[in-house]
Amino acid sequence: AQTVTQSQPEMSVQEAETVTLSCTYDTSESDYYLFWYKQPPSRQMILVIRQEAYKQQNATENRFSVNFQKAAKSFSLKISDSQLGDAAMYFCAYRSAQGNEKLTFGTGTRLTIIP
Amino acid sequence: DGGITQSPKYLFRKEGQNVTLSCEQNLNHDAMYWYRQDPGQGLRLIYYSQIVNDFQKGDIAEGYSVSREKKESFPLTVTSAQKNPTAFYLCASSSQRGSAYEQYFGPGTRLTVT
Repeated sequence: AQTVTQSQPEMSVQEAETVTLSCTYDTSESDYYLFWYKQPPSRQMILVIRQEAYKQQNATENRFSVNFQKAAKSFSLKISDSQLGDAAMYFCAYRSAQGNEKLTFGTGTRLTIIP
Repeated sequence: DGGITQSPKYLFRKEGQNVTLSCEQNLNHDAMYWYRQDPGQGLRLIYYSQIVNDFQKGDIAEGYSVSREKKESFPLTVTSAQKNPTAFYLCASSSQRGSAYEQYFGPGTRLTVT
């Protein structure tokens, strides 16, 4: 079974600075997808960024980028120019490319933005 | 606008009562999911359905039941057999088309059982 680990329960960053959230996963599969979801105080889950395992290039979405290290099974999220609206819980998630579409989530990292 | 609706936002029930949580989507997605979220934990999969009239148990299906009679709807019933039903419940859907099949989530229902 796949597992996803987020070892940082809480992180904080000064507004306009850069912060990196860590995520590691365990799988025996070679083809899969990885996601970062954001959950603000409203509790609505919002997809931030996704990465296909077969792609070597790291995904980027505006101020959000990932560092995908397939051999190390690491998938960190970098947020540049942090804004107050980035304050939220961030969840890393794994999905196999085969079989059912179940998402396996980490326990989350609570990100606080310091004005 | 396309999206996923869950109702109600807050639900209160007495212990021993069954309760049904609604989830509707107008995204024309084939697959739908129910997750449970508890404090300090990630989301855990309860049930999922990839096509109408078919569904599978997730990791924590005990004490829950679902139906999928229409593509747009995937209601979840929390039965009296569920030992700790108080939680935040999230419904999601995804398309079978496209490369990554990312899941889109509804706004959630907070269930409190006393």
